Amino acid sequence: QQPVQSPQAVILREGEDAVINCSSSKALYSVHWYRQKHGEAPVFLMILLKGGEQKGHEKISASFNEKKQQSSLYLTASQLSYSGTYFCGTNFGNEKLTFGTGTRLTIIP
Amino acid sequence: GAGVSQSPRYKVTKRGQDVALRCDPISGHVSLYWYRQALGQGPEFLTYFNYEAQQDKSGLPNDRFSAERPEGSISTLTIQRTEQRDSAMYRCASSIGRLAGGRETQYFGPGTRLLVL
Repeated sequence: QQPVQSPQAVILREGEDAVINCSSSKALYSVHWYRQKHGEAPVFLMILLKGGEQKGHEKISASFNEKKQQSSLYLTASQLSYSGTYFCGTNFGNEKLTFGTGTRLTIIP
Repeated sequence: GAGVSQSPRYKVTKRGQDVALRCDPISGHVSLYWYRQALGQGPEFLTYFNYEAQQDKSGLPNDRFSAERPEGSISTLTIQRTEQRDSAMYRCASSIGRLAGGRETQYFGPGTRLLVL
């Protein structure tokens, strides 16, 4: 039931855009996105809920396709501070999150 | 305000010893979660509390692992008779309310790095 993320890794130049995808084999109630820098705790970015509601940072955008059981995180005009590993956490209507395989993002000047 | 805190930050122990890992959630947060995170992987759910009640322990690997939250605040994850395969980062997270359906944000602590020799 672990969601699959793609790509596994991506390298961008500062200012470029990226899309990170998260796919589940099971129907989703919500998707939570986190960014984790090396040696630090995961930091909350956004929640996307079934029905279209979103909660999170204004500068980050994401989509949630309930039918396809997928979510995508859109990083535009990337900055050096965006570097890190991105994880999606999926919720199936219960009380826990199941985290994905991770996407490592490297931004170079 | 203060975030989630965990102690110790690092723990080195010998195989067969018991260890206790502590989590202090954000003040007022009702729900508390324990995760284990391997290097380069996402957090893996272990167990979850709502107030002092352990609601789900389906992720605990075996009966050497246990957790408690007796007063609905600080929680302790205990690993008995540690084995080398228990070496990992153990993270705690808290949320202001129950996750049900995924409406609440989980805030993660800095983790305890456990090394079993």
